[in-house]
This record gives sequence, structure tokens and C-alpha cells, in this order.
Amino acid sequence: AQSVTQLGSHVSVSEGALVLLRCNYSSSVPPYLFWYVQYPNQGLQLLLKYTSAATLVKGINGFEAEFKKSETSFHLTKPSAHMSDAAEYFCAVSYSSASKIIFGSGTRLSIRP
Amino acid sequence: GAVVSQHPSWVICKSGTSVKIECRSLDFQATTMFWYRQFPKQSLMLMATSNEGSKATYEQGVEKDKFLINHASLTLSTLTVTSAHPEDSSFYICSARDGGIGTDTQYFGPGTRLTVL
Repeated sequence: AQSVTQLGSHVSVSEGALVLLRCNYSSSVPPYLFWYVQYPNQGLQLLLKYTSAATLVKGINGFEAEFKKSETSFHLTKPSAHMSDAAEYFCAVSYSSASKIIFGSGTRLSIRP
Repeated sequence: GAVVSQHPSWVICKSGTSVKIECRSLDFQATTMFWYRQFPKQSLMLMATSNEGSKATYEQGVEKDKFLINHASLTLSTLTVTSAHPEDSSFYICSARDGGIGTDTQYFGPGTRLTVL
């Protein structure tokens, strides 16, 4: 079975500060890992995905995540937060790009002016 | 990039009626589609996996007779909420698998908000 745990249901940072959203996974096989963003009343947008290639994955909007097998982590970071980054972020895991995706509980990111 | 649409984007219905939600892959063929449900301020929960031309596979706890899924073509899957009740009010999101050459990823639709009065 697979699962992901997102630490912190709400994270608040100042504009221009580092964004760090934490995600730990559990998987019996090498996982595919994803980060999605959801704006209010909208669907999901893929930020980035890890598919067993490079451990440091760069995504859209300046986000990146690092796969650390030893820590079973896939934390999402962005060097400098922007007001437009305020949204709900979901970490997710699957067996492959085509398998069903299991989502974490989500982290709401707020940006302070 | 690949686009997945859902129709309607929102619907309000009376308790006891049935509601059909469509999920379409606009520029690719999707042999597999997934249906998720999201309650307010919660995560997405997978309801079922739909494969073209075969019966859907439902997740544990999801009533297959209440949530009817049809995937009759490579570009269309439908979810029908039968005899809807207020507790069925939720945000329903589909995703479609693009398994074409050189790609194998899922794309999510924009979601359908269902409110049952």
C-alpha cells in the first residue's frame, strides 16, 4: 500500500521568504511522487513529478522538490514566495504515471505581505 | 498540453434526483479515467477507476449502485449520482490517462461542484 503524509495543514510565510512544504511517503515499491496545486474552486495543476530519474525535480512557477529515499521525503520548496503562490498544495504518490494517485491531506499556503 | 474538460462545472439539484457529470479528454484518447471526490477543505479521495469498455473498479466504501460510471468511448467517461442526497454534495474531479507514445501521465479536469438541496 502507498500513502503520503503532509506535515502541517497550514503554512504561512512572508512574501519573498523561503517556502518549504513537507511530504513524507510510504511505498513498498519505488514510487512516483507528485506535487499539485489547487486554487479555490478550481481543479488541480501539476507542479512537478518524480519518476525515478533525477532526485532533484524542477517544476513550474519556480518550485522544486528533492526525492530523498533515506528519509522517505519529497519536500517542496521555492526560494522566494510570491503572493500568487497562496493556494492549497497536495503531495501525492502512485505506482506509475498511469496508476491511481493517492493524495495527502493537503497544506494551505498563505503569503503575508 | 493535454486538456480534460468536465461538464457541468456546477450543478444544484433536489434531493432524490439523479445527476450526470461528464469527463472528456479533448485532444487525446484516454483508456483509463479516474473519479475523485473532494469535500470542503479536505483532500481528494479516489472513488473509482474507469477503463474504456469495461466495468469500473470502485474503491472500498464507494457504493457502485449509487455512483454509476460509464466509459463508453476513449474520450468520454460519465459519473451519475443516483438518488442524490445532501451528503453527496461535494466537488467531483476526474482525471484521464494519456498513454500515448512518449508520454504516460494523467491530466485532471477542472472539477464539478454538486450541491444537493
